[in-house]
Amino acid sequence: EVQLVESGGGLVQPGGSLRLSCAASGFTFSNYPMSWVRLAPGKGLDWVSTISSGGGATFYADSVKGRFTISRDNSKDTLYLQLNSLRAEDTALYYCAKDLATATGCSDYWGQGTLVTVSS
Amino acid sequence: EIVMTQSPATLSVSPGERATLSCRASQSLSSALAWYQQRPGQAPRLLMYDVSTRATGTPATFSGSGSGTDFTLTISSLQSADFAVYYCQQYSNWPRTFGQGTKVEIK
Repeated sequence: EVQLVESGGGLVQPGGSLRLSCAASGFTFSNYPMSWVRLAPGKGLDWVSTISSGGGATFYADSVKGRFTISRDNSKDTLYLQLNSLRAEDTALYYCAKDLATATGCSDYWGQGTLVTVSS
Repeated sequence: EIVMTQSPATLSVSPGERATLSCRASQSLSSALAWYQQRPGQAPRLLMYDVSTRATGTPATFSGSGSGTDFTLTISSLQSADFAVYYCQQYSNWPRTFGQGTKVEIK
């Protein structure tokens, strides 16, 4: 059974940083691209970032480019998202998602999310 | 960036009736279009990808169609579990983008 468990969310002040983690199990992690998608209060789904299976290619939404960094450790079956220079508009539930092997950015399994709140 | 526009924003349907959800892309996607379902308090669930391919576990009451810029998700007979928010997503171009969602509610 595919399982994705996010952690690392919390309350942070504007301008602060957080590192989200996503522990994966139940599939061969190194074979699949992975993504982060967020859901802000009262809003719709918002794609944040995707990383290729080997980690050599990364993609970002314009709203987070230069502030967020996606990475993965295939030896630990773990996905990461480093969030820097956080803004109030980054407040959201952040989901880790496994992508289809043949459709990068299209996600067939999702975690339950970790909540990031940016507020002073 | 490809803008995805869903309509209607809210769809009121009686159980057992048919629901038709629309999604329009600002430019052609070929077949790189997915639909997700999100129930309150739950993670999104992939329903359809490549326009019309059902994801694992998606009931046959769900079907997807369309091409180019106009796409449709049809639920042939609504069950209680189907009342949720539905999102379309394009994965043809970077950045990936979602529609704003259609809420399917009980009439």
